[in-house]
Amino acid sequence: NAGVMQNPRHLVRRRGQEARLRCSPMKGHSHVYWYRQLPEEGLKFMVYLQKENIIDESGMPKERFSAEFPKEGPSILRIQQVVRGDSAAYFCASSPNSGNTIYFGEGSWLTVV
Amino acid sequence: GENVEQHPSTLSVQEGDSAVIKCTYSDSASNYFPWYKQELGKRPQLIIDIRSNVGEKKDQRIAVTLNKTAKHFSLHITETQPEDSAVYFCAASIRGSSNTGKLIFGQGTTLQVKP
Repeated sequence: NAGVMQNPRHLVRRRGQEARLRCSPMKGHSHVYWYRQLPEEGLKFMVYLQKENIIDESGMPKERFSAEFPKEGPSILRIQQVVRGDSAAYFCASSPNSGNTIYFGEGSWLTVV
Repeated sequence: GENVEQHPSTLSVQEGDSAVIKCTYSDSASNYFPWYKQELGKRPQLIIDIRSNVGEKKDQRIAVTLNKTAKHFSLHITETQPEDSAVYFCAASIRGSSNTGKLIFGQGTTLQVKP
């Protein structure tokens, strides 16, 4: 049973470009969470999605950030017009249902130059 | 608001000693409390968890205790080994106004076990 798959693992973008991070949950998991981890800091909740629905986006910045989890395919976290402050590790996690154990992917490290 | 406080931020122990990390949470409706271990450059990995209907849980050298009245829970590692060195995160399920049960994490504790 493959774990949570994230890609790309490392991504370098120039200021103003767009970053797209993809996440495929574990088999049988329909709940996806995105967390951001700044260097030497903790895990900050961004968004919680189920298939075709955003359940909780209270941690998402109001501008430039969006997330989706379509009926088919991976969940995508999209950051438009990236700035240096967006440089971080973005972790996706999945669970079979709400309020339960979540399992993290290996993360996507975004560097904005 | 939704908050999980974790202490200490750094902890250094001698190999073989015990290590204790403490967390407090604000949402009285929280009912699930996992602990994750994260090594440098790696993903957080679940090491133990506890639910609100249980006061203590143990798995070999690791134990977690929960005090719902005081809204705090702790991680205990006994007979520490150098490979226990990592960052440890506590988390609590937060129901909040959206009732989604998302996990909110503490700030992390960097544990160093000296040989």
